[in-house]
Formats: sequence, structure tokens, C-alpha cells
Amino acid sequence: EPEVTQTPSHQVTQMGQEVILRCVPISNHLYFYWYRQILGQKVEFLVSFYNNEISEKSEIFDDQFSVERPDGSNFTLKIRSTKLEDSAMYFCASRGMTGGNQPQHFGDGTRLSIL
Amino acid sequence: KNEVEQSPQNLTAQEGEFITINCSYSVGISALHWLQQHPGGGIVSLFMLSSGKKKHGRLIATINIQEKHSSLHITASHPRDSAVYICAVGGSQGNLIFGKGTKLSVKP
Repeated sequence: EPEVTQTPSHQVTQMGQEVILRCVPISNHLYFYWYRQILGQKVEFLVSFYNNEISEKSEIFDDQFSVERPDGSNFTLKIRSTKLEDSAMYFCASRGMTGGNQPQHFGDGTRLSIL
Repeated sequence: KNEVEQSPQNLTAQEGEFITINCSYSVGISALHWLQQHPGGGIVSLFMLSSGKKKHGRLIATINIQEKHSSLHITASHPRDSAVYICAVGGSQGNLIFGKGTKLSVKP
């Protein structure tokens, strides 16, 4: 069964550095999402992406964050000038287009640790 | 903004017991999702439903749209069912709004 893959599985970065989290969604999916989960808290929506542009973003997704689909397969989340509070598990998800609501398929996540 | 509440937060059961996890939400939705989060962190979609009931193996999910309430049932629970079960509702762009999850531990 096709899967969403995320790399790296764990990223350790110094505060103030830039980090790029990578995702390869399922190939025929058209909607892409980033979520994050701070340790011990619920999963929170960051951004959705469709047709090569952001379709919705949460208040968490400020100017520090950006997303890109550079080559038609990868979907990346860039965090500039990382802060300690950016430490979290980041999940990528994708879903298909057919019909209305469709289940989302999640990657295994990238654990981001900011030192 | 939709608020998603789950109960209980933690649940310990003996192997073989019937388990129920509840979810309520504040604003009408088109679909509700039940997800399972493994101890390693990975998230798997279990059900997406907009009305009635769905069954997959020992798992059953029900939803009452009028009452804005859904339940996830596990029959004949097993230690391998131990995980965090999360209820989520669909936002306007298909993004999900998550509950805090129910941590289930099934003892042999």
C-alpha cells in the first residue's frame, strides 16, 4: 500500500538555525498538510497546500514557516531561525481528490529537537 | 472554531473487555475521523464517517450528527490495541481539528 514518507525521522538543530523537513506524499494525492505535536499535547494543524499554493494556515504558521513543493513529489516545511518552542513532532499528511471528504494518510513524523 | 472533546483521557482495561471511547464536538461537521497513534508516534487512520456506523474487524465507530457525538468501540480488547486513540473533525479546507486523545492500555 502506498505510504507517506518523511525524512529525517529525527532532527537535532541549534536554536536560531534553519531546518527543512521533507515529505513525499502518496503520488496521486493532491492535498497536502503539515501538523505538529508538542510533547504531551494534541496534534495541531499548521498548513494545507493544494494546487501549488497554501489553501489554509493556522495562527501557528507565521512568517517563520514556509512550505514548498519544489519538484512535484517532495513537500517541504522550512522553519527559519528555530526557537526552543519549535521542538515537536511534525507530521505530513496527504489525501486524494475524488469525492468530498477523504481520509488523510500520515507519515511517521519527524521529531525536531531544538537545543 | 470547532472544539473536540474526548473522554476518558486514560483508560486501562483487562484483555477481552469491551471498550468505549467518546468524542463530542461543538460545530456541525461533514466528517469525523478516528485515528490511532502508536507509542512510536506514527498516526494511522482507522475510520472516517459522516453518519451511522462503520465496522472494521473488532473496531466499531458510530456517530450521531444531531447530538454531535461519536463513539469508538473495541470488542474483545487485546494488549496490541494499546495506543492513543484520537478523534478529529474536518475543517473547512479538509484540515483536521484534533482532540487530545485517549490513552488506552490493555493488560494481559
